[in-house]
Amino acid sequence: KAGVTQTPRYLIKTRGQQVTLSCSPISGHRSVSWYQQTPGQGLQFLFEYFSETQRNKGNFPGRFSGRQFSNSRSEMNVSTLELGDSALYLCASSLTGTALSYEQYFGPGTRLTVT
Amino acid sequence: KNQVEQSPQSLIILEGKNCTLQCNYTVSPFSNLRWYKQDTGRGPVSLTIMTFSENTKSNGRYTATLDADTKQSSLHITASQLSDSASYICVVSAIDYKLSFGAGTTVTVRA
Repeated sequence: KAGVTQTPRYLIKTRGQQVTLSCSPISGHRSVSWYQQTPGQGLQFLFEYFSETQRNKGNFPGRFSGRQFSNSRSEMNVSTLELGDSALYLCASSLTGTALSYEQYFGPGTRLTVT
Repeated sequence: KNQVEQSPQSLIILEGKNCTLQCNYTVSPFSNLRWYKQDTGRGPVSLTIMTFSENTKSNGRYTATLDADTKQSSLHITASQLSDSASYICVVSAIDYKLSFGAGTTVTVRA
């Protein structure tokens, strides 16, 4: 069974631009969560989608948004990029949800650099 | 203040030796605690998941313990190998689905 895939793997953007990251969960998984990881802050939860609905949201500004499609694939969008948005963005999928099913499988991440 | 504190921040051990990582949390009400291993440049991989009633769980050379009364967990690595060099992250889940992350412990295994 294929794992979680994220595209692109690396991205360089300029301040003020917007970016869209994509995540394809493991086949059959309905929950997709997004995380931001930086050396200073560690892993931080962005949001979780389940059956096309946002179920949980972390403490990030409205510039960070996401959506989930009927095939469970998910996209994350960041508008008006700031230098501080440079990070590794990780996507994780699970069968039903972060707490209920316990097991989350992470993708390799998208390394975003904002210049 | 972070609800999940990990110690030490980093450690160096010789190949073949054992080591123990600590995770203290204040998350409440508690649902489960997970340990992840993250190799450089890759996504985290789940090592163990423990609920309130579980005290110990093993995954090969990795053994996690949980004391829900004192809100402490440890991850013990036995007979370390070079491939154990990674960051180990403790994640605590509350029953309302909220996840709290530790900052991680970076383990370096030297030959």
